[in-house]
Order: sequence, then structure tokens, then C-alpha cells
Amino acid sequence: DIQMTQSPSSLSASVGDRVTITCRASQSISTYLNWYQQKPGKAPSLLIYAASSLQSGVPSRFSGSGSETDFTLTISSLQPEDFATYYCQQSYSTLSITFGQGTRLEIK
Amino acid sequence: EVQVVESGGNLVQPGGSLRLSCAASGFTFNIYWMNWVRQAPGKALEWVANINQDGSEKYYVRSVKGRFTISRDNAKNSLFLQMDNLRAEDTAVYYCARGFYGDYDNFFDIWGQGTLVTVSS
Repeated sequence: DIQMTQSPSSLSASVGDRVTITCRASQSISTYLNWYQQKPGKAPSLLIYAASSLQSGVPSRFSGSGSETDFTLTISSLQPEDFATYYCQQSYSTLSITFGQGTRLEIK
Repeated sequence: EVQVVESGGNLVQPGGSLRLSCAASGFTFNIYWMNWVRQAPGKALEWVANINQDGSEKYYVRSVKGRFTISRDNAKNSLFLQMDNLRAEDTAVYYCARGFYGDYDNFFDIWGQGTLVTVSS
């Protein structure tokens, strides 16, 4: 199975900060990498798909980049509603889809 | 409105069985892959199983193979997860998620609110 490793596991930041979360795959996954946001007690929601494509309705302050094994999610200017947990997901193999362990983004 | 709604979660004893359901509405159900994803308390998301449009392909995470069965009824716009021989480690919120499986991208774009399964004596 393809393992996904996110860093950091948790992060404290302030409103207005630029934040970057990284995700590394244990083998090449091309650009089959997605990012999800999850708020406490809620279902995840899709932010970025295919490494860099912004899902409809997602604010443009969110962006994604990367390919093969190394990927990043960047929030250009943190807003209060962005404090949540973020997960990367590889979908290179539909037979075995895996998520990262999550990055909890907290208010400093 | 495009949505999926899960039901069927409950408290069940170890070794017991449970069947989860997911009702889809607002989209053409039979053209999408569908997925089950779970999240144990305080833990990360874990993909559990998926099924293709006509039910001829089904895939499972290793930890549930032989115990869980995914199925669908396209006439009723419904997805199911039959869970047998349940273990304490199956305790989680179970989400139904629509899968977009394209040529160059695969992702889960519609999620339900989840249904809680608790396995305990």
C-alpha cells in the first residue's frame, strides 16, 4: 500500500499568516493527490484535487502544488474559518486509497 | 440538492453484524463510483471500500477484507455496507462519499454527515 506522510502533525498560526502543509507519498503517485478540510464534528470537504486544481467554491487563498512524491497545500492568508484539520489523500490506485494522518491547524 | 445521507449506525457487540445504508439524491447515482470512509474517535480518515458504477468491481482496505461487503442498488439510489464479525477497532464514524474517477484525477467530492458505529460489550 502507498503510505502518505503529512508534516507537521499540528501547527499554530495567526489570522493573516501564510501556511504550508506538506505531504509525501511512499512511491510516485503522479498528481493523484487530493486535499480535504475537516472541521470538528463535520464531514471532510474537498479543497484541492489532482494536486493543484481548486474545487469549485473553494476560496483562492488555497492552493496546491507538487507531483510524484512531494506535495504542498498553501493557505496564502489565514482566515478564522480556516482553522481545521487538513488531510491529503492519494488516489493513484483506486484499489487501495490512502489518507495522510492529518495536520491540525490551530489558532496561535 | 446533491447529497448523500448515511444511516444504520448503532451500538453492537463484538462479533456482531450491522448494515449501513447511504441514500443518494440530486445526481445520477449510477454513473459514479461510491466509497465508504471511516474515522475512529480522534483519529485520521481511513478509506474502507469502494464499488464501481454497476457493482462489478469492489475493493476493500486489508483490515476489513472478508468481513465487510459493499453493495449498491442503482434502482433505489442506495449504497450499502454489510459489516460482519465486528471488532472493537471498527468503532468509528462511517462516511459515504461519492467518487469522481476520471482519466487523470480521482477524488471524493460529496460526503455524507456520517453514522456512528460503536462495537462494545
